[in-house]
Amino acid sequence: DSGVTQTPKHLITATGQRVTLRCSPRSGDLSVYWYQQSLDQGLQFLIQYYNGEERAKGNILERFSAQQFPDLHSELNLSSLELGDSALYFCASSVAEVSTGNTIYFGEGSWLTVV
Amino acid sequence: AQSVAQPEDQVNVAEGNPLTVKCTYSVSGNPYLFWYVQYPNRGLQFLLKYITGDNLVKGSYGFEAEFNKSQTSFHLKKPSALVSDSALYFCAVRDLMEYGNKLVFGAGTILRVKS
Repeated sequence: DSGVTQTPKHLITATGQRVTLRCSPRSGDLSVYWYQQSLDQGLQFLIQYYNGEERAKGNILERFSAQQFPDLHSELNLSSLELGDSALYFCASSVAEVSTGNTIYFGEGSWLTVV
Repeated sequence: AQSVAQPEDQVNVAEGNPLTVKCTYSVSGNPYLFWYVQYPNRGLQFLLKYITGDNLVKGSYGFEAEFNKSQTSFHLKKPSALVSDSALYFCAVRDLMEYGNKLVFGAGTILRVKS
């Protein structure tokens, strides 16, 4: 158990809908990361937050947005869903904002299926 | 940009034999390298990391990795494979961004250990 908690574990929704994925980081971790894992794209970095503020952005679609709340939990919002958004979405956390040596720990992911 | 490559899609090894999963990296500056493992329907689990120091890094579940600067490699090894080691293995490198950081992952290598 990494200590990173993600909900829901599985989600099935229709095209055009909106979903919210939730993440609680490890106790004491201030950075939260979101990744998307799909068969064709592999593991893709979406976005990083540190202590409530956006810090780094990757290949995140405009239809997707995220935020980190004062209690440090984070949510990833996916809207106008398309079939191609079906993937495993990972949340991860680490202690520092930018620390080359710190480990990033991953949750078990949220499986999103868009039908 | 920082990147890693895993040249083998799949590695097959007999139980009890040594295993190696290969990873090569391309970085500007000092490399910060990681190995993660993903079991079926599970999240990414941290195995080990190289930050600095000894070229042989020991990690979880009896795994170790050898950092080789001249060959720009960071191969994952285990002296004696177990069937339970069968999983998907990812090599990753830390990429520092303007205000944050991320991990850049390889495509992954499926390890199959046969009894």
